[in-house]
Amino acid sequence: KNEVEQSPQNLTAQEGEFITINCSYSVGISALHWLQQHPGGGIVSLFMLSSGKKKHGRLIATINIQEKHSSLHITASHPRDSAVYICADPRGSNYKLTFGKGTLLTVNP
Amino acid sequence: DGGITQSPKYLFRKEGQNVTLSCEQNLNHDAMYWYRQDPGQGLRLIYYSQIVNDFQKGDIAEGYSVSREKKESFPLTVTSAQKNPTAFYLCASSIVGLGGSPLHFGNGTRLTVT
Repeated sequence: KNEVEQSPQNLTAQEGEFITINCSYSVGISALHWLQQHPGGGIVSLFMLSSGKKKHGRLIATINIQEKHSSLHITASHPRDSAVYICADPRGSNYKLTFGKGTLLTVNP
Repeated sequence: DGGITQSPKYLFRKEGQNVTLSCEQNLNHDAMYWYRQDPGQGLRLIYYSQIVNDFQKGDIAEGYSVSREKKESFPLTVTSAQKNPTAFYLCASSIVGLGGSPLHFGNGTRLTVT
């Protein structure tokens, strides 16, 4: 069964803390996606990665293909980072993703 | 700026009525998708289209229909056969398949059926 498991489900942090969100998947992939959903519902794509590490500003995504595990890190967290972070695993078809249930991050000032 | 426009943002319908959700993109993307989001669940794929005049069922297509007559437009009809239509609906697009290009999302339509 193809599943994407995220942990933790909920995460509360103080401004400035280093954040890690984890994603485990069960099927070999072409590229794992990380997405951010803001309280209003809109979703933006943060990263696509199939190996190694990618960095964009304070966000870093890593992936370990052998262990089928990816992490999203946020350095120097800020209240504006508060959102739901979702990982998604392509599965076989080039047009289908299996989505995790998301991690709700709240960063307090 | 290029993007995806979904309208309306909120939609209310009576049970038994069909309703069509609009999705328009000016990104010149070939692929378009419709997802459904329910509380506590991951996004689920309803339909997708790889190219104009072609579309494929996703994981939960029953009770829904789509058309792709123009590259820019991918409307979703929620029919009266959909047993639990109240949900948040998201339209998305990508340049090519998802192994090689990221998803771009609209802001969603929240449908309530009573």
